Amino acid sequence: QVHLVESGGGVVQPERSLRLSCVASGFRFSTYEMHWVRQAPDKGLEWVSTISLDGNSKYYADALRGRVTISRDNAYNTLFLEMKSLRPEDTSTYHCVRGPFDPAWQSYRFDYWGHGTLVTVSS
Amino acid sequence: SYVLTQPPSVSVAPGETARVSCGGIHIGRKSVHWYQKKPGQAPLLVVYDDATRPSGITDRFSGANSGDMATLTIFRVEGADEADYYCQVWDTSSNHVVFGGGTKLTVL
Repeated sequence: QVHLVESGGGVVQPERSLRLSCVASGFRFSTYEMHWVRQAPDKGLEWVSTISLDGNSKYYADALRGRVTISRDNAYNTLFLEMKSLRPEDTSTYHCVRGPFDPAWQSYRFDYWGHGTLVTVSS
Repeated sequence: SYVLTQPPSVSVAPGETARVSCGGIHIGRKSVHWYQKKPGQAPLLVVYDDATRPSGITDRFSGANSGDMATLTIFRVEGADEADYYCQVWDTSSNHVVFGGGTKLTVL
């Protein structure tokens, strides 16, 4: 049974930093690409970032580039998202997502999602 | 950057067929995935690679993709299908994941 459990969310003041974590279980973590996807209140799904199997390739949404860093620790089956200079518009539920890359289709699909951790940016 | 366009809402009566569209330039050349999102729940993959259902997803869900439009079709709609539905692709030119804006399915 695949489980993705996020933590690290909470209320944070604007311009502060936060580190989100996601502990994975039920599958071989090191063999899957991983992602962060967020959803602001009453808004749609928004991709945040993607990381390769070994962590050497990383991709970021344009709106967040320079303010977020994705990383992973395969020894501890954990995915991270470091966020800095937080803004009120970053208020969202952040989901950790397993998303293998299919070379035949040249595509990532998101097959398992965590329930998310809520980040509220407010003074 | 690549854009996916979905209608904000679709309404159908129970037992009828719902169709959710997802428009994008030459989307038929990409692999499209669909997610169901209910309040308070994590999103659920219901169709991937245009038309493949994951294990455990009812065959009432069907996908198609051609030209500039992908479609998620839900046959014999039930109340439990009421949710937001999102399409998603990987844009190889920008190395970005792209989601559509989402469609709220209402079962009348």
